[in-house]
Amino acid sequence: GQNIDQPTEMTATEGAIVQINCTYQTSGFNGLFWYQQHAGEAPTFLSYNVLDGLEEKGRFSSFLSRSKGYSYLLLKELQMKDSASYLCAFMDSNYQLIWGAGTKLIIKP
Amino acid sequence: GAVVSQHPSWVICKSGTSVKIECRSLDFQATTMFWYRQFPKQSLMLMATSNEGSKATYEQGVEKDKFLINHASLTLSTLTVTSAHPEDSSFYICSARVGDTGYTFGSGTRLTVV
Repeated sequence: GQNIDQPTEMTATEGAIVQINCTYQTSGFNGLFWYQQHAGEAPTFLSYNVLDGLEEKGRFSSFLSRSKGYSYLLLKELQMKDSASYLCAFMDSNYQLIWGAGTKLIIKP
Repeated sequence: GAVVSQHPSWVICKSGTSVKIECRSLDFQATTMFWYRQFPKQSLMLMATSNEGSKATYEQGVEKDKFLINHASLTLSTLTVTSAHPEDSSFYICSARVGDTGYTFGSGTRLTVV
């Protein structure tokens, strides 16, 4: 079967670093996505990993280990505007996205 | 970049009426459009996949006669919620595939049925 799991909620301090983990199980895999979603808005694309390793994009980095079915999103120099839900999703063998429930990130001053 | 325009952004309707939501791809041709529903504090739930010129594929548990999807052109897909009930109140989002691995989302429609 297929499943994907990420923490429900995390809290971090402005200026700090936070890592949001995502684990998944699937027989067919065509990459893993991270999206940011502010309340009442549509998701916006953050990253896509299809090969193992770390992809860095400014303050945000995403890591993938296909053998472990594991990914994380790393956010550095946290800003208040980073308060949002972060959704991980993998693309299955039919190129459909299977979504996690999202991690609500709360940033405190 | 690839943009999907979704309208309306929010709508309030009376129970028993129908509501149509439109998604237009502005600068690319969307052969496939995905329709999602998202309840508060929950993740996106795929309702159906529409393909231009053919019938939509509905996920298990989604009533095709209640959620009518039309994808008559390469730039327009519509979702009509028929005979809406308060339990249909939700956030509806469309998404189009761009290339092999890219996805772009509409801005979402907040539906409230009273």
